[in-house]
Amino acid sequence: EDKVVQSPLSLVVHEGDTVTLNCSYEVTNFRSLLWYKQEKKAPTFLFMLTSSGIEKKSGRLSSILDKKELFSILNITATQTGDSAVYLCAGGQNFVFGPGTRLSVLP
Amino acid sequence: GAVVSQHPSRVICKSGTSVKIECRSLDFQATTMFWYRQFPKQSLMLMATSNEGSKATYEQGVEKDKFLINHASLTLSTLTVTSAHPEDSSFYICSARAERGWDEQYFGPGTRLTVT
Repeated sequence: EDKVVQSPLSLVVHEGDTVTLNCSYEVTNFRSLLWYKQEKKAPTFLFMLTSSGIEKKSGRLSSILDKKELFSILNITATQTGDSAVYLCAGGQNFVFGPGTRLSVLP
Repeated sequence: GAVVSQHPSRVICKSGTSVKIECRSLDFQATTMFWYRQFPKQSLMLMATSNEGSKATYEQGVEKDKFLINHASLTLSTLTVTSAHPEDSSFYICSARAERGWDEQYFGPGTRLTVT
C-alpha cells in the first residue's frame, strides 16, 4: 500500500523565517512527487518532481527530490503571512496524499 | 490553462436522497480524473480513479455502489452519492490529469456536501 508521510504536521513561525517541510514516501510505480498548497478550498499546484537532485524554484519556494532516500523537501524563505496554509505532498501511481503540514506565519 | 470546474460548489440534501457532483476539465481533455474526499483538518483521501470510457477503480473501503462514478467523456466525470447519510457530509474534490505520462493534476474547487 502506498504511503506518504509528512513532517512536521504543524509549524508556527514568524514573518521572515525560513522553513523546511519534509515529505517521505513509499509508493509503487513511482513516477513523480507533487507539492500542493491548500488554503481555504482545493489545493493549488506548486511543484512536480521527477528527477533526483534537481531543484525546482518558484520565487521564495523551492523543492528537491531524493529518489534514493525516498524523500523530498519544500523550502520557503523569507516567509510571509500569505504563506500560511496546509502544504501537501503526493506520490505514487494514483497520487496518495500525505497528511499535510499546517504552516502558520505570524506577523 | 488547465482549469477544472466542479458543480455545485455547495449542496445540502436530506438523508436518503442522491446527489450528483460534476467535474469538468474546461480547456483540456482529461484521460484520468480522481475523486477525493476531505474531512475538516485532514488530508485528501483518494476515493476512486476514473479513466474515460472505462469503469472507475475504487480505493479499499470505498463503496462503489454508494459512490457512483461515471467518466463519460474526456471533459466530464460525475460522482453520485446515493442514499446519502449525514456521515457522507464532507468536502469532495475532483482532479484531472491531461494525458498519460503527464503527471500534473489540476484540482477543481471542491463541493461541500451537507446531509441533514
